[in-house]
Amino acid sequence: DTGVSQNPRHKITKRGQNVTFRCDPISEHNRLYWYRQTLGQGPEFLTYFQNEAQLEKSRLLSDRFSAERPKGSFSTLEIQRTEQGDSAMYLCASSLAGGYTFGSGTRLTVV
Amino acid sequence: QQPVQSPQAVILREGEDAVINCSSSKALYSVHWYRQKHGEAPVFLMILLKGGEQKGHEKISASFNEKKQQSSLYLTASQLSYSGTYFCGTEIRDDKIIFGKGTRLHILP
Repeated sequence: DTGVSQNPRHKITKRGQNVTFRCDPISEHNRLYWYRQTLGQGPEFLTYFQNEAQLEKSRLLSDRFSAERPKGSFSTLEIQRTEQGDSAMYLCASSLAGGYTFGSGTRLTVV
Repeated sequence: QQPVQSPQAVILREGEDAVINCSSSKALYSVHWYRQKHGEAPVFLMILLKGGEQKGHEKISASFNEKKQQSSLYLTASQLSYSGTYFCGTEIRDDKIIFGKGTRLHILP
């Protein structure tokens, strides 16, 4: 069990560019979650998958955000046409039943 | 829908006790507690599923009052390693957690 892995750890991008993040969950976990966290705040729910099915997407989430989890394994989160307000830590978590195991996150800075 | 945590911040001396509260306006399926240290990911502490349930994790325990939609996290004889931000997370159904804004705990030697 190597835990939840996220790549890249840091991403600096220019406003308007597209970015993609990857999350590799714990292999036996069927649920995968994406959260966003800004300084001094709790993690904000973005979307989650059960196996390969995306079951819920936050209503606060812009159409510029899309996530996939092909074959119920790793997941990708893409942000199109990035804006400065997208700057945050993007956290991935996985679970089987009960508590979540979080990855170390991808810190996105939009300049 | 976001749970409300109190207090926002606590400063303790090593060995002192603390209580962090979490309340929801909606009926809850479960309450989770996590601790996050600066620059690190949140770490799962415990989950409470039943009304009136109490759980323990070393010197950290929690209670869940289902009728009041409230949970409390108890830290006894605090250690320096307990410093960090504590988040409660609530589930209305078995789907996803909504996190509170956190309680910053600082332990002084």
